[in-house]
Amino acid sequence: NAGVMQNPRHLVRRRGQEARLRCSPMKGHSHVYWYRQLPEEGLKFMVYLQKENIIDESGMPKERFSAEFPKEGPSILRIQQVVRGDSAAYFCASSPQAVLITYNEQFFGPGTRLTVL
Amino acid sequence: AQSVTQLGSHVSVSEGALVLLRCNYSSSVPPYLFWYVQYPNQGLQLLLKYTTGATLVKGINGFEAEFKKSETSFHLTKPSAHMSDAAEYFCAVSVGEYGNKLVFGAGTILRVKS
Repeated sequence: NAGVMQNPRHLVRRRGQEARLRCSPMKGHSHVYWYRQLPEEGLKFMVYLQKENIIDESGMPKERFSAEFPKEGPSILRIQQVVRGDSAAYFCASSPQAVLITYNEQFFGPGTRLTVL
Repeated sequence: AQSVTQLGSHVSVSEGALVLLRCNYSSSVPPYLFWYVQYPNQGLQLLLKYTTGATLVKGINGFEAEFKKSETSFHLTKPSAHMSDAAEYFCAVSVGEYGNKLVFGAGTILRVKS
């Protein structure tokens, strides 16, 4: 049973370009979470999605960032007009249901390391 | 707002020695608490979690943690360190209406000396 998959693992963009990060949750998981890890810091929650719905985006920057989890296909985190401060590791996690309902853990992918030149 | 504080960004122990990684949390409601481990260039792996019930929680790789409500602590321990334990460890608390958000501490890098 494959774990959470993220691609690309490494992404280099120049300032002003767009970055698209993909996350395929574990089989049977319908909840996806995105976190950002800045250098020397812990992970910070960005957004929580279910299929075709954004449930909680309280951690998303107000501009340039968006996320989706379509009915078919992976979840996408999109960063428009990237700046150097966007350089970070972006982790995706998935769970079969919301954590509190059945004490499900979030399973993390290996992350995408974004470097903005 | 819920928060997590990990005391000590770097901890160094000798192989075979006790491992103690400290975590304190603040939460206005009974917390769900987690310890994750991250090896270089990899994702996070769950070591153990506390939801309800027994306050001493056993996890994988010989780690355990004790939830102490009076001290708002959830320290991670292992009786005898192994070289393979060298990694970064994160304590986290779940928040949000459905526990959907994990709030992480800044992490503690564990170094194991031979």
